[in-house]
Amino acid sequence: GQNIDQPTEMTATEGAIVQINCTYQTSGFNGLFWYQQHAGEAPTFLSYNVLDGLEEKGRFSSFLSRSKGYSYLLLKELQMKDSASYLCAVRDLYNQGGKLIFGQGTELSVKP
Amino acid sequence: ETGVTQSPTHLIKTRGQQVTLRCSSQSGHNTVSWYQQALGQGPQFIFQYYREEENGRGNFPPRFSGLQFPNYSSELNVNALELDDSALYLCASRDRGSAGYTFGSGTRLTVV
Repeated sequence: GQNIDQPTEMTATEGAIVQINCTYQTSGFNGLFWYQQHAGEAPTFLSYNVLDGLEEKGRFSSFLSRSKGYSYLLLKELQMKDSASYLCAVRDLYNQGGKLIFGQGTELSVKP
Repeated sequence: ETGVTQSPTHLIKTRGQQVTLRCSSQSGHNTVSWYQQALGQGPQFIFQYYREEENGRGNFPPRFSGLQFPNYSSELNVNALELDDSALYLCASRDRGSAGYTFGSGTRLTVV
Protein backbone atom coordinates (compact mmCIF):
# COMPACT_ATOMS: atom_id res chain seq x y z
CA GLY A 1 0.00 0.00 0.00
CA GLN A 2 0.91 3.64 -0.05
CA ASN A 3 0.97 5.65 3.13
CA ILE A 4 2.45 8.90 4.36
CA ASP A 5 2.36 9.78 8.04
CA GLN A 6 3.02 13.10 9.70
CA PRO A 7 1.85 14.58 12.99
CA THR A 8 -1.51 16.32 12.84
CA GLU A 9 -0.62 19.34 14.94
CA MET A 10 2.44 21.00 16.45
CA THR A 11 2.94 24.13 18.52
CA ALA A 12 6.15 26.12 18.85
CA THR A 13 7.33 29.47 20.14
CA GLU A 14 8.41 32.42 18.04
CA GLY A 15 12.19 32.38 17.55
CA ALA A 16 12.50 28.67 18.31
CA ILE A 17 13.30 25.68 16.07
CA VAL A 18 10.74 23.04 15.11
CA GLN A 19 11.15 19.71 13.32
CA ILE A 20 8.24 18.16 11.44
CA ASN A 21 8.68 14.46 10.71
CA CYS A 22 7.29 12.45 7.83
CA THR A 23 7.45 8.70 7.24
CA TYR A 24 6.36 7.09 4.00
CA GLN A 25 5.67 3.75 2.36
CA THR A 26 5.11 3.91 -1.39
CA SER A 27 5.41 1.45 -4.26
CA GLY A 28 7.69 3.80 -6.21
CA PHE A 29 9.81 6.75 -5.14
CA ASN A 30 11.10 9.65 -7.16
CA GLY A 31 11.53 12.39 -4.64
CA LEU A 32 9.96 13.91 -1.57
CA PHE A 33 8.48 17.37 -1.40
CA TRP A 34 7.54 19.72 1.39
CA TYR A 35 4.86 22.33 0.79
CA GLN A 36 3.54 25.11 3.00
CA GLN A 37 -0.16 25.91 2.86
CA HIS A 38 -1.84 28.82 4.59
CA ALA A 39 -5.56 28.46 5.18
CA GLY A 40 -7.54 28.92 1.98
CA GLU A 41 -4.44 29.33 -0.16
CA ALA A 42 -2.42 27.25 -2.62
CA PRO A 43 0.34 24.98 -1.39
CA THR A 44 3.70 26.68 -2.00
CA PHE A 45 6.86 24.71 -2.67
CA LEU A 46 9.45 24.62 0.12
CA SER A 47 11.88 21.83 -0.70
CA TYR A 48 12.63 18.74 -2.76
CA ASN A 49 14.84 15.81 -1.79
CA VAL A 50 15.61 12.91 -4.09
CA LEU A 51 18.95 11.81 -2.61
CA ASP A 52 19.74 11.08 1.03
CA GLY A 53 20.93 13.96 3.11
CA LEU A 54 20.15 17.48 4.13
CA GLU A 55 19.04 20.30 1.85
CA GLU A 56 19.27 23.79 3.36
CA LYS A 57 17.45 26.84 2.08
CA GLY A 58 17.54 29.84 4.38
CA ARG A 59 15.53 29.19 7.55
CA PHE A 60 14.20 25.92 6.13
CA SER A 61 16.04 22.61 5.83
CA SER A 62 14.81 19.22 4.73
CA PHE A 63 16.34 15.80 5.34
CA LEU A 64 15.76 12.50 3.60
CA SER A 65 16.66 8.89 4.39
CA ARG A 66 15.36 6.63 1.63
CA SER A 67 16.36 3.41 3.42
CA LYS A 68 14.26 4.43 6.43
CA GLY A 69 11.41 5.98 4.47
CA TYR A 70 11.85 9.10 6.57
CA SER A 71 12.10 12.82 6.08
CA TYR A 72 11.91 15.90 8.25
CA LEU A 73 11.43 19.60 7.69
CA LEU A 74 13.37 21.86 10.04
CA LEU A 75 12.24 25.44 10.55
CA LYS A 76 14.61 27.79 12.36
CA GLU A 77 14.03 31.21 13.90
CA LEU A 78 10.30 30.72 13.80
CA GLN A 79 8.14 33.68 12.87
CA MET A 80 4.43 34.17 13.41
CA LYS A 81 3.89 33.99 9.64
CA ASP A 82 5.20 30.40 9.70
CA SER A 83 1.87 29.34 11.23
CA ALA A 84 0.47 27.15 8.45
CA SER A 85 -0.08 23.57 7.37
CA TYR A 86 3.03 21.72 6.18
CA LEU A 87 2.46 18.99 3.65
CA CYS A 88 4.83 16.10 2.99
CA ALA A 89 4.41 14.54 -0.45
CA VAL A 90 6.14 11.69 -2.27
CA ARG A 91 6.35 11.55 -6.04
CA ASP A 92 5.48 8.08 -7.26
CA LEU A 93 7.11 7.94 -10.68
CA TYR A 94 6.20 4.42 -11.64
CA ASN A 95 2.47 4.63 -11.12
CA GLN A 96 -0.08 6.91 -12.61
CA GLY A 97 2.21 9.32 -14.35
CA GLY A 98 4.25 10.44 -11.38
CA LYS A 99 1.51 11.59 -9.08
CA LEU A 100 2.19 13.25 -5.74
CA ILE A 101 0.97 11.31 -2.71
CA PHE A 102 0.34 13.67 0.18
CA GLY A 103 0.24 13.21 3.90
CA GLN A 104 -2.64 14.79 5.79
CA GLY A 105 -0.54 17.81 6.70
CA THR A 106 0.87 19.12 9.97
CA GLU A 107 -0.84 22.22 11.34
CA LEU A 108 1.89 24.33 12.95
CA SER A 109 0.93 27.07 15.37
CA VAL A 110 3.62 29.59 16.27
CA LYS A 111 2.93 31.43 19.51
CA PRO A 112 4.55 34.61 20.84
CA GLU B 1 2.74 34.86 -17.87
CA THR B 2 3.74 33.25 -14.60
CA GLY B 3 1.84 31.20 -12.06
CA VAL B 4 -1.14 28.89 -12.21
CA THR B 5 -4.59 30.44 -12.13
CA GLN B 6 -7.87 28.72 -11.40
CA SER B 7 -11.44 29.81 -11.88
CA PRO B 8 -13.82 30.29 -10.31
CA THR B 9 -12.45 30.77 -6.79
CA HIS B 10 -15.69 29.74 -5.12
CA LEU B 11 -18.72 27.85 -6.39
CA ILE B 12 -21.95 26.55 -4.90
CA LYS B 13 -23.82 23.78 -6.70
CA THR B 14 -26.80 21.58 -5.97
CA ARG B 15 -26.55 17.82 -5.60
CA GLY B 16 -26.97 16.12 -8.99
CA GLN B 17 -25.72 19.07 -11.00
CA GLN B 18 -22.59 19.17 -13.16
CA VAL B 19 -19.62 21.50 -12.73
CA THR B 20 -16.59 22.54 -14.78
CA LEU B 21 -13.51 23.94 -13.09
CA ARG B 22 -10.76 25.64 -15.08
CA CYS B 23 -7.02 25.97 -14.76
CA SER B 24 -4.53 28.01 -16.73
CA SER B 25 -0.95 26.82 -16.42
CA GLN B 26 2.35 28.51 -17.17
CA SER B 27 3.60 28.41 -20.72
CA GLY B 28 5.64 25.26 -21.27
CA HIS B 29 4.02 23.36 -18.42
CA ASN B 30 2.80 20.37 -20.39
CA THR B 31 1.95 18.25 -17.34
CA VAL B 32 -1.10 19.15 -15.27
CA SER B 33 -2.56 17.33 -12.29
CA TRP B 34 -5.79 17.84 -10.39
CA TYR B 35 -6.22 17.22 -6.68
CA GLN B 36 -9.16 17.21 -4.28
CA GLN B 37 -8.51 18.53 -0.78
CA ALA B 38 -11.11 18.00 1.92
CA LEU B 39 -11.00 20.24 4.97
CA GLY B 40 -8.13 19.28 7.29
CA GLN B 41 -6.74 16.70 4.88
CA GLY B 42 -3.91 16.54 2.38
CA PRO B 43 -4.67 16.78 -1.35
CA GLN B 44 -5.82 13.55 -3.03
CA PHE B 45 -4.73 12.85 -6.62
CA ILE B 46 -7.60 12.81 -9.13
CA PHE B 47 -5.78 12.53 -12.48
CA GLN B 48 -2.90 13.85 -14.53
CA TYR B 49 -2.56 14.93 -18.17
CA TYR B 50 0.56 15.10 -20.28
CA ARG B 51 0.35 16.69 -23.71
CA GLU B 52 -3.44 16.42 -23.73
CA GLU B 53 -3.53 12.72 -22.84
CA GLU B 54 -4.52 11.33 -19.45
CA ASN B 55 -1.52 9.41 -18.11
CA GLY B 56 -2.57 8.71 -14.55
CA ARG B 57 -5.70 8.45 -12.47
CA GLY B 58 -6.41 8.15 -8.77
CA ASN B 59 -9.28 6.41 -6.99
CA PHE B 60 -12.05 8.64 -8.30
CA PRO B 61 -15.16 7.47 -10.17
CA PRO B 62 -15.65 8.10 -13.90
CA ARG B 63 -17.95 11.04 -13.22
CA PHE B 64 -14.71 12.95 -12.61
CA SER B 65 -13.24 13.70 -16.03
CA GLY B 66 -10.82 16.16 -17.51
CA LEU B 67 -9.37 17.79 -20.57
CA GLN B 68 -6.09 19.49 -21.33
CA PHE B 69 -5.76 21.94 -24.21
CA PRO B 70 -2.77 22.95 -26.37
CA ASN B 71 -2.68 26.42 -24.79
CA TYR B 72 -1.71 24.92 -21.37
CA SER B 73 -5.21 25.28 -19.97
CA SER B 74 -7.21 22.40 -18.56
CA GLU B 75 -10.61 21.52 -17.15
CA LEU B 76 -11.98 19.28 -14.44
CA ASN B 77 -15.58 18.17 -14.97
CA VAL B 78 -17.67 16.52 -12.30
CA ASN B 79 -21.07 15.06 -13.14
CA ALA B 80 -23.90 14.09 -10.80
CA LEU B 81 -22.47 16.05 -7.90
CA GLU B 82 -22.67 14.54 -4.43
CA LEU B 83 -22.44 16.26 -1.07
CA ASP B 84 -19.05 14.60 -0.44
CA ASP B 85 -17.65 16.35 -3.51
CA SER B 86 -17.52 19.54 -1.45
CA ALA B 87 -13.81 20.35 -1.23
CA LEU B 88 -10.98 22.56 -2.46
CA TYR B 89 -9.94 21.51 -5.97
CA LEU B 90 -6.32 22.22 -6.82
CA CYS B 91 -4.60 22.29 -10.16
CA ALA B 92 -0.83 21.77 -10.33
CA SER B 93 1.47 21.96 -13.32
CA ARG B 94 5.12 21.48 -14.20
CA ASP B 95 7.33 21.33 -17.23
CA ARG B 96 9.01 18.10 -18.20
CA GLY B 97 12.45 19.11 -16.97
CA SER B 98 11.31 20.13 -13.52
CA ALA B 99 10.50 17.95 -10.55
CA GLY B 100 8.52 20.63 -8.74
CA TYR B 101 4.84 21.34 -9.22
CA THR B 102 3.31 24.80 -9.10
CA PHE B 103 -0.15 24.88 -7.54
CA GLY B 104 -3.00 27.19 -8.26
CA SER B 105 -4.94 28.73 -5.38
CA GLY B 106 -7.81 26.37 -5.96
CA THR B 107 -11.57 26.39 -6.43
CA ARG B 108 -13.68 25.95 -3.31
CA LEU B 109 -16.71 23.85 -4.35
CA THR B 110 -19.68 23.53 -2.03
CA VAL B 111 -22.42 21.04 -2.91
CA VAL B 112 -25.73 21.59 -1.14
